[in-house]
Amino acid sequence: DSGVTQTPKHLITATGQRVTLRCSPRSGDLSVYWYQQSLDQGLQFLIQYYNGEERAKGNILERFSAQQFPDLHSELNLSSLELGDSALYFCASSVRQGGNNEQFFGPGTRLTVL
Amino acid sequence: GENVEQHPSTLSVQEGDSAVIKCTYSDSASNYFPWYKQELGKRPQLIIDIRSNVGEKKDQRIAVTLNKTAKHFSLHITETQPEDSAVYFCAASIQSAGGTSYGKLTFGQGTILTVHP
Repeated sequence: DSGVTQTPKHLITATGQRVTLRCSPRSGDLSVYWYQQSLDQGLQFLIQYYNGEERAKGNILERFSAQQFPDLHSELNLSSLELGDSALYFCASSVRQGGNNEQFFGPGTRLTVL
Repeated sequence: GENVEQHPSTLSVQEGDSAVIKCTYSDSASNYFPWYKQELGKRPQLIIDIRSNVGEKKDQRIAVTLNKTAKHFSLHITETQPEDSAVYFCAASIQSAGGTSYGKLTFGQGTILTVHP
């Protein structure tokens, strides 16, 4: 157990819908990263937050957005869902930006868009 | 941006043999190189990492080597066991407290390792 929690574990929804994925980092970690894992694209970085502020953006679609709240948990919002959005979504947390920045992954949310 | 290439995509070995997975990266500013093991349907688990000021690091049966000049790093697993069977990912990152990048990981494509009893 990495100490990073994600809910829900599984999500099945239809095209055009909107979903919210939730992540709670390890106790004391300030930084949260979101990654998408699909068969054809592998593990891809989406976005990073540090202590409530967006710090880095990767290949995140405009239909996707995220935020980190004062209690440091983070939510990833996916809207106007398409079949191709079906994937495993992981969040990871780390202690601080820079320095010893080991990232520990949560169990993931498996999203299926029908 | 950073690009990480990983080879081979699949690797099959007999129990007790050694396994080597190789990665190359493109951004010479990258200075942190973790390796993750992922079992089917599970989360990636950090197994070992290396920073650019070190050439080699060992942890029991696992070792990682780094060649900064060639922008190349490798994972070595000795005395493989069936429980080592999984997908292994290398990654590269720029760890800089004062820089513009804050530790996002760029992953290789993964290597499916199968250890036959």
